[in-house]
Amino acid sequence: EAQVTQNPRYLITVTGKKLTVTCSQNMNHEYMSWYRQDPGLGLRQIYYSMNVEVTDKGDVPEGYKVSRKEKRNFPLILESPSPNQTSLYFCASSPQRNSNQPQHFGDGTRLSIL
Amino acid sequence: RKEVEQDPGPFNVPEGATVAFNCTYSNSASQSFFWYRQDCRKEPKLLMSVYSSGNEDGRFTAQLNRASQYISLLIRDSKLSDSATYLCVVNMRTGGFKTIFGAGTRLFVKA
Repeated sequence: EAQVTQNPRYLITVTGKKLTVTCSQNMNHEYMSWYRQDPGLGLRQIYYSMNVEVTDKGDVPEGYKVSRKEKRNFPLILESPSPNQTSLYFCASSPQRNSNQPQHFGDGTRLSIL
Repeated sequence: RKEVEQDPGPFNVPEGATVAFNCTYSNSASQSFFWYRQDCRKEPKLLMSVYSSGNEDGRFTAQLNRASQYISLLIRDSKLSDSATYLCVVNMRTGGFKTIFGAGTRLFVKA
């Protein structure tokens, strides 16, 4: 089954404790992206990747890192999480580098930083 | 001004009604346009892509007006199952490409 898989689905942790949210897609998609969703603000793009070893900042990259060592994986890293990073996070992928393809989303990861 | 703006909601309509959502975008580098549907903080799911020529999928019709930088979604014969948040999404070319979501419009369809 074609899908985007995020882990964990839920996480409660404390300020400053490094965490990684994994994202994996099995569709051989070139493009992958991370978003956060907050009430009243909608989804905002954190980082995106056009292909392996190619990443770029979205609108809200501060406090996050990403890597794209393999085509299928695009982990989101919070080196020193803070309470303002409490949010619902989505990973997405799409087939091609051009902008005409819609994105497929993972189920989401709900992070709470205490 | 937000790059992608949608009608404020919520919209409360009876079953069978026709409802229209509007969306405007401000960046002329915008290249492709979509409507997504999101249920109760679940993942967004593609409803339809939007083209200048307009496109229809059953009860749903989407339209793009590049000159006015305006996108619309029309839902005819609303069903209870149409209750959701509708997200206007714009991809824009920036070397790579960025994706901007509208804040969404909540639709409640009542029996």
